[in-house]
Amino acid sequence: DIQMTQSPSSLSASVGDRVTITCRASQSISTYLNWYQQKPGKAPKLLIYGASSLQSGVPSRFSGSGSGTDFTLTISSLQPEDFATYYCQQSYSTPWTFGQGTKVEIK
Amino acid sequence: QVQLVQSGAEVKKPGASVKVSCKASGYTFTSYDINWVRQATGQGLEWMGWMNPNSGNTGYAQKFQGRVTITRNTSISTAYMELSSLRSEDTAVYYCARGTYDSSGYQYYFDYWGQGTLVTVSS
Repeated sequence: DIQMTQSPSSLSASVGDRVTITCRASQSISTYLNWYQQKPGKAPKLLIYGASSLQSGVPSRFSGSGSGTDFTLTISSLQPEDFATYYCQQSYSTPWTFGQGTKVEIK
Repeated sequence: QVQLVQSGAEVKKPGASVKVSCKASGYTFTSYDINWVRQATGQGLEWMGWMNPNSGNTGYAQKFQGRVTITRNTSISTAYMELSSLRSEDTAVYYCARGTYDSSGYQYYFDYWGQGTLVTVSS
């Protein structure tokens, strides 16, 4: 199975900050990497697919990059509604696997 | 609009089985995979398996092989996930999620999710 490791596990940031979350795969997965946002008590929401493609309706302050084993999710200017937990997920091979999550909290 | 609506919360005893439903609307049910993902309280996301509603083909994570069965009823656009031999560690919220390929046909992702079904396993 492909292991996905996110860092940090949590971070504190202020509204307007630039935030970067990293995801590392245990083997090369090309660009088969998706990012999701989850708020408490809610289902995950797709943000980015294919490492860098923005899902329809997602604000442009979210962006993704990377290929191979190292990926990043960037929020260019953190908004109040962005405080949530973020997960990466590889779609290179089954079983599809997720990172452990990064919780973005208010500083 | 695309919606996946799941059945309500369940409480089961250890050793029992649970069957969760996921009713799709707003798109052609047989054109997209249905995946099942679970999340224990305060924990991360864990993929359990998938189904092609058109063919009925399924695939399961090794961890759940032999205990999980995903089925469908195309006449009512509903997918089901049954988990047997329940234990306390199976207490979690179970989500169905639509699996979609992008226009290139290579990138696969979960673009719509059900609201989740809490399954509690307790004696």
